[in-house]
Order: sequence, then C-alpha cells, then structure tokens
Amino acid sequence: TQLLEQSPQFLSIQEGENLTVYCNSSSVFSSLQWYRQEPGEGPVLLVTVVTGGEVKKLKRLTFQFGDARKDSSLHITAAQTGDTGLYLCAGPNVHGGATNKLIFGTGTLLAVQP
Amino acid sequence: KAGVTQTPRYLIKTRGQQVTLSCSPISGHRSVSWYQQTPGQGLQFLFEYFSETQRNKGNFPGRFSGRQFSNSRSEMNVSTLELGDSALYLCASSLGTLGGASNQPQHFGDGTRLSIL
Repeated sequence: TQLLEQSPQFLSIQEGENLTVYCNSSSVFSSLQWYRQEPGEGPVLLVTVVTGGEVKKLKRLTFQFGDARKDSSLHITAAQTGDTGLYLCAGPNVHGGATNKLIFGTGTLLAVQP
Repeated sequence: KAGVTQTPRYLIKTRGQQVTLSCSPISGHRSVSWYQQTPGQGLQFLFEYFSETQRNKGNFPGRFSGRQFSNSRSEMNVSTLELGDSALYLCASSLGTLGGASNQPQHFGDGTRLSIL
C-alpha cells in the first residue's frame, strides 16, 4: 500500500520566517504533486516534480524531489500571511492501471501570523 | 475558462437518506475523479470516470456510486447515509487519456460539504 506521510502536521510561524514541509514514503513514486488548499476551497495544484533530484522554484516556494523518488520537500522563504493554508503532497497510484487516481499525503496545516 | 463546478455547495441530510452530488468538469476534460475529505482520514479517492466508464474505484462501500454522462459531467450518489459520511466531497477533472497519464494536473472544484444529522 502506498502511503505518504507529511510532517509537521501543524505549523504556526511569524511572517518573514522560513519553513520546510516534508512528504515521505516507503514507496517509489513516478512523480509527486504539491497542492495548497484554503478554507472553503478545493486544492490548487502548485507544482509537479517528476525526476529524482529535481528542484523547482515558484517565487518564494522551492520544491525538491528526492533522488530515490520516495520523498519530497517544500521550502517557503520569508513566509507571508497569504501562504496560510493546508499543504498536500500527492502521488499517482501505481496499482490501478490506466487511471488518474492520486494518493494524498496526511497534510500540513500552515498558519502564518502577521 | 470556467473551473470545475460542484453543486450544491452545502447539504444537510439525516441518517438513512440518500444524496446525489453533481460535478461539471472544465470544458474539454474527460476524466473526473471524486474524493472524500475528512479531518481524520484526509483526502481519500472514491472513483474515477473517463468517457462514461468507471476506470478505478477506491475502498468505499457499495453505498457510494457514481456515473458520468456523455458531456463528461459526473454525479455521485450515496445511499443509506451514515453519520460517518459527513465530509467534504471533492471532484477533480483532468484532460485524461486512454493510457491514463497519471502526471496530468488535477483541477479541483470547491467541494460539497455534506453534513449528516
């Protein structure tokens, strides 16, 4: 069974601080996606990482895919209140054949205080 | 370009009733997936439809069912509602291909919040 564990589960920081969120699995994933979900809304895709060791940057957000493709991290530099939300990693299920089924991580709830 | 639309946004039902939720995907998207989100279990896959066929199903009881119409719109139905069915139900659409390219971006709607009394 493919599982994705995220840490920390909760994070409360001050505006301007840096933070890192981790997404770990014992299974290999062909790719991993990161989403952010704000209250009352659905998840919004931030990035997809495909290649082991890949690093992608989205403004102040840096995403890394582990060399073995079992883990990923999200680093936010100089957090802003607008970064507040639930961060989710997700990977495709390998056991379902032709499908878009995603396995979602346990989530990290980030609160950035002004 | 209109996003994924889910209706209704909120729904209150009582145990034993049944409910139908609707999802209109982004125009041109042929794959529609449904997820259940709860504080305890997080986001869990219910099923995926592609070209009116169920392509994959998660580990949910048979009370949960769905269908997809020729215009790609999808509905999910939950019968004999239980208290534990209270959740946010999310629909996601993607272009979809016959081969099921799993790296495709999933576009989520804002969900239907279902509360069971």
